[in-house]
Amino acid sequence: AQSVTQLDSQVPVFEEAPVELRCNYSSSVSVYLFWYVQYPNQGLQLLLKYLSGSTLVKGINGFEAEFNKSQTSFHLRKPSVHISDTAEYFCAVRPIGAQKLVFGQGTRLTINP
Amino acid sequence: DTGVSQDPRHKITKRGQNVTFRCDPISEHNRLYWYRQTLGQGPEFLTYFQNEAQLEKSRLLSDRFSAERPKGSFSTLEIQRTEQGDSAMYLCASSTTDRGNEKLFFGSGTQLSVL
Repeated sequence: AQSVTQLDSQVPVFEEAPVELRCNYSSSVSVYLFWYVQYPNQGLQLLLKYLSGSTLVKGINGFEAEFNKSQTSFHLRKPSVHISDTAEYFCAVRPIGAQKLVFGQGTRLTINP
Repeated sequence: DTGVSQDPRHKITKRGQNVTFRCDPISEHNRLYWYRQTLGQGPEFLTYFQNEAQLEKSRLLSDRFSAERPKGSFSTLEIQRTEQGDSAMYLCASSTTDRGNEKLFFGSGTQLSVL
C-alpha cells in the first residue's frame, strides 16, 4: 500500500517570498510522483510530475520539485510567489503499472500582500 | 479540448434517496476515473474504466455504489440509499493511454450533500 503525508496543512507567505511545500511518501514498490493544484472553484490541474531521469522536475507557473529517493520526499518549491498562487496543493503517488493515484491531504497556500 | 464535464455541479438529497452523477470525459481519452474528496482531505480513488471495461474498484465503493461507462464514452456514478457519510465532492478525471503522457484531466466535481 502507499501513503502520502503533506507535512503542513496551511502555509501563509508574503508575496514575492520563496515557498516550499513538503511531501513525504511511503510505498513498498516504485512509484511515479505528482503535484496537483486546485484553485478555488476549479478542477485539479497537474503542476508537475516525476516519472524517471533527472530528480529535479520543473513544472508550470515557475514551480519545481525534487525527488529524493533516500528520504522518500518530493518537496515543491517556488522562488517567488504571487497572489495568483493562492490555492490548495496536493502531492500524489502512483505505483508504476497501476492506475490509482494516492493523494496527500493537501496544503493550503495563502499569499499575503 | 472542452475539458472534463460533470453534471450536476451540486446535488442536495435526503437520506435514503438515490442519486446519479454524470461525467463526460475529453473525447479522445479512453481512461476514466472517479474519485471522492471530503473536506480537508485529498481525493480518494473509487474506480476506473478503460473504454467500457471497469478495471479496478476501491473497497471504498460499497455495494450501494455503481458506476457504468456504456460504449466507452460518458460515465455515470449512482449511489443508492444515500447516507450522510456519502456527502462529499465526487470528481471525475480522464486520460489517454499514451505511454509517457501520464496526466489526468479533472472535472470541477459534483458536490453532494445528504441531509
